[in-house]
Amino acid sequence: DQQVKQNSPSLSVQEGRISILNCDYTNSMFDYFLWYKKYPAEGPTFLISISSIKDKNEDGRFTVFLNKSAKHLSLHIVPSQPGDSAVYFCAAVSDSWGKLQFGAGTQVVVTP
Amino acid sequence: ETGVTQSPTHLIKTRGQQVTLRCSSQSGHNTVSWYQQALGQGPQFIFQYYREEENGRGNFPPRFSGLQFPNYSSELNVNALELDDSALYLCASSSVDAWEFNEQFFGPGTRLTVL
Repeated sequence: DQQVKQNSPSLSVQEGRISILNCDYTNSMFDYFLWYKKYPAEGPTFLISISSIKDKNEDGRFTVFLNKSAKHLSLHIVPSQPGDSAVYFCAAVSDSWGKLQFGAGTQVVVTP
Repeated sequence: ETGVTQSPTHLIKTRGQQVTLRCSSQSGHNTVSWYQQALGQGPQFIFQYYREEENGRGNFPPRFSGLQFPNYSSELNVNALELDDSALYLCASSSVDAWEFNEQFFGPGTRLTVL
């Protein structure tokens, strides 16, 4: 069963505007959430993470919000840049060994 | 510092054959995880190795097996290939401290096509 879900397969946003990517999960044992970015022909690269004891984490243009009661997290990219065009994966772990459970990904296209 | 590398880049096999994929971990990393990414889906956890021992397995049949070597490089072996095994296989390495989570670093993957 899919415990991490990204229900939007694609997102198109204008350069300079905000990109908001959403992710839902079903397993309340998850204690760490991560976002990965993937370009074609490359492996996923770590973007930003958040512990389940926090509700917000910020790193430059990227902010992740966690709503534990709703089992929902989101990634905000402000401002969006053409280089942000990629597939973004939401992932979650329930132990310190990093056995990641991924969502299906959201393809982001940033247009000029 | 060398990143995670995988070989080969692409591979074509026929149904019923066996395949071995290879991964070289990032320097200093003692843990390797393998993931299968089918088209249009996110990566699915296959198994993880820590200091040459299997340390957890996802929902994959026994014909998926692995090895980790003393230099922390790793192999993924798949026997009796099926058409549904066609996917991108990703290797990720990390240096896992039992007391805190460490991020994983992914290789570029091996694209396996089963005909």
